[in-house]
Amino acid sequence: DAGVTQSPTHLIKTRGQQVTLRCSPKSGHDTVSWYQQALGQGPQFIFQYYEEEERQRGNFPDRFSGHQFPNYSSELNVNALLLGDSALYLCASSLEMSGRALHNEQFFGPGTRLTVL
Amino acid sequence: QQPVQSPQAVILREGEDAVINCSSSKALYSVHWYRQKHGEAPVFLMILLKGGEQKGHEKISASFNEKKQQSSLYLTASQLSYSGTYFCGTEGWGNEKLTFGTGTRLTIIP
Repeated sequence: DAGVTQSPTHLIKTRGQQVTLRCSPKSGHDTVSWYQQALGQGPQFIFQYYEEEERQRGNFPDRFSGHQFPNYSSELNVNALLLGDSALYLCASSLEMSGRALHNEQFFGPGTRLTVL
Repeated sequence: QQPVQSPQAVILREGEDAVINCSSSKALYSVHWYRQKHGEAPVFLMILLKGGEQKGHEKISASFNEKKQQSSLYLTASQLSYSGTYFCGTEGWGNEKLTFGTGTRLTIIP
């Protein structure tokens, strides 16, 4: 049973460019959340997708957008990259039950390390 | 509104016990605990949903005081494998996002 997978593992971009990160949830999971983790900090919630819609969003600008596909996989897009966007981007999947997916275990992927020069 | 964890870092000898605390300024619906080893993804330890609930996972247990908006993680007879950074994640009433704490770095030495 494959866990959460993310691609690519590492990415180097320059300021102003755009980037797309991909996530495949754990088999059987239908909810995907994205987090940004700066060095030495805890993960910061970006947004959550369920049934192909953004359900919750953290305090991130509109440059951060996402998408969920019918097979539950998800993409995170970041436009007009800034130096401060350099971080580890984590995807976590869970199973929606009784309207509160977060009451179930979230499985994290290995992350994508984004470096903006 | 990020939960505050204490201590920030702790060093223990193998076999000693540790307590990690997580405090929030807002009313909490649930508290999640994760452990992250260097260069790896966070790994789920447990979730506490009800006020006063306590859960255990082998030698790792936790309590959740809903009225005080606090949770504590207890590590008993620590093993070398317990080393890592521990994060609590809190969920408030009426929303679906987790807010992670500041983290506690635990180092276990032989």
